Parts: sequence; C-alpha cells; structure tokens
Amino acid sequence: AQSVTQLDSHVSVSEGTPVLLRCNYSSSYSPSLFWYVQHPNKGLQLLLKYTSAATLVKGINGFEAEFKKSETSFHLTKPSAHMSDAAEYFCVGGPPRGSSNTGKLIFGQGTTLQVKP
Amino acid sequence: ETGVTQTPRHLVMGMTNKKSLKCEQHLGHNAMYWYKQSAKKPLELMFVYSLEERVENNSVPSRFSPECPNSSHLFLHLHTLQPEDSALYLCASSRQNTDTQYFGPGTRLTVL
Repeated sequence: AQSVTQLDSHVSVSEGTPVLLRCNYSSSYSPSLFWYVQHPNKGLQLLLKYTSAATLVKGINGFEAEFKKSETSFHLTKPSAHMSDAAEYFCVGGPPRGSSNTGKLIFGQGTTLQVKP
Repeated sequence: ETGVTQTPRHLVMGMTNKKSLKCEQHLGHNAMYWYKQSAKKPLELMFVYSLEERVENNSVPSRFSPECPNSSHLFLHLHTLQPEDSALYLCASSRQNTDTQYFGPGTRLTVL
C-alpha cells in the first residue's frame, strides 16, 4: 500500500528566506510523486513531478524537490519565499507509469505556508 | 489557467434540490476525475472516467451521479444531498488515467 505524509501542517517563513516543506512516502514500488499548490478558492496547480528520470526535479516559480529513496522523502524547497507563495501545498503519490492502478493519487494532508513580510 | 474549467464556481442548494456540476477540459485528455475536498480532510477521489467509461467508483453514495458524454465533458448530478456533502468539488483530467492530472478551479457547494 502507498501512503504520503506531510510532516508539517503549517509552516511560517519570512519573505526572502528559504522554504522547506517536508513529505515522506511509503510505497512498495517506485512511485510517481507530485507537488501541487492551492491558493485560496482556487483549484490545484501542478508545481512539479517526479517520474524516476532525475532525482532533483525543478518546478515552476523557483520550487524544486529531491527524491531520496534512502530516506523515502520528497521535500519541496525554494531558496527565497515571496508573499505570493502563501498557499496550501500538497504532496501527492501516484502509480508508476504503465501501471493498471487507474488514477489513484494519494494526497498528503496538506501544508499551509504562511509568508510574513 | 490549466485548461480545465468548472461551472458553476459556487452553488447553494437545499436538500431536496437537483443540480448538476459541469467540467470541461480543453487539453485533449482521455481521462477525467471528480474529487471532493472537505475542510481538514485529504482530497477524496470520487469517480474516474477513462475514454468515457467509468473505471473507478470510490464507494460514493448514489445521491452523486456522474456522467461523461464525451472525453471533454464531465458532469456530476446531485440530488437529495446532505449538509455534510458541502465541500469543494474538483474536476481533473489527464492524458491517460496514469498520467499527471490537471485540476479545475472547483465548485464550492453548500447544502442547506
């Protein structure tokens, strides 16, 4: 069985400082992993995805994440937070490409990122 | 804009009403999904359609009835809902049902 755990429900940083949002996964296979962002009253926007090509994945808006199999982690980072980064962030696990596990994404509980001026 | 649109964006309905949520994708995808997002809960997958055929029904009550007339459109028909059904309903699509999913903005549903 697959599971995704976001270790922090709320993270607060000052504008211009680094962002770290933590995610651990548990899977019996090498999963696809995603980070999505949700701004208030909006849908989920894909930030980046890992599909076993490169372990360091670069996404939009300066975010990146590193897949670490030894630590079963897929933490999201950004060197310098902007006010516009304040939102809810979801770490999501999915089946490997070509699997028959139809559309079953496993969502973490979400991390609210607060950015202080 | 992700190429997935949902209407209406907000809906308030009584428990005896019948309403429908609409989702349209302009990405040429073959799979579409309905999710429910309640406060303080992870997203719940409700239905998956692949090539207009329902391939997943995640134990959703029958008061929710999906319809996928073609690969670009997905509906969620609602009838005799309960207040606990109030939530944000998100539609998503993907090229195939194991590919990256792209989400619409959601419909905020309130059941009185």
